[in-house]
Amino acid sequence: GESVGLHLPTLSVQEGDNSIINCAYSNSASDYFIWYKQESGKGPQFIIDIRSNMDKRQGQRVTVLLNKTVKHLSLQIAATQPGDSAVYFCAENFNTGRRALTFGSGTRLQVQP
Amino acid sequence: DAGVTQSPTHLIKTRGQQVTLRCSPKSGHDTVSWYQQALGQGPQFIFQYYEEEERQRGNFPDRFSGHQFPNYSSELNVNALLLGDSALYLCASSLVQAGSTDTQYFGPGTRLTVL
Repeated sequence: GESVGLHLPTLSVQEGDNSIINCAYSNSASDYFIWYKQESGKGPQFIIDIRSNMDKRQGQRVTVLLNKTVKHLSLQIAATQPGDSAVYFCAENFNTGRRALTFGSGTRLQVQP
Repeated sequence: DAGVTQSPTHLIKTRGQQVTLRCSPKSGHDTVSWYQQALGQGPQFIFQYYEEEERQRGNFPDRFSGHQFPNYSSELNVNALLLGDSALYLCASSLVQAGSTDTQYFGPGTRLTVL
């Protein structure tokens, strides 16, 4: 399959450890944030989202934290598995409704067995 | 439940040619957005279609145009292809919900190579 993110920042973790992927967003007016996972040769896959009226949201093995003061978003993955290896993108959106997503540059997560 | 589908998977064209890419949204979705993803970068928004009209457009030239059909499927057309148009073209679908931000779900993409 194709290679996504040849020159992206890379986070390497051991299987079973927790992973934290960080993202700085650009628009202080953004009120909706999404994390996507993109495996080689595939389109971005929705992981979790959070709205600006929240600072934390949990899903299955994932937690997203939002700090609006410093415009920072993080994705925490608990008990990282080899299947979590992929490129992770944060995306932001301002105004509700049918609006464009603005994507960050992405982080490659490598899980060592 | 079928997800977002795109065709073709891969396409090779030469400079100056025209190309049409196709997208079928996830079942129940009514809005289609198109993104361009260059190698090593995040997706860049091209435009979005709802009710068969272009509702929002990103910073792309008029060579990029689109269409949405009554069954919500969509096409992306690119005229006068340039080498720099080589990229993965992603389609995302969503459902308009009053008072809520619609989550966009992506298809697998079409890899366009311009020689």
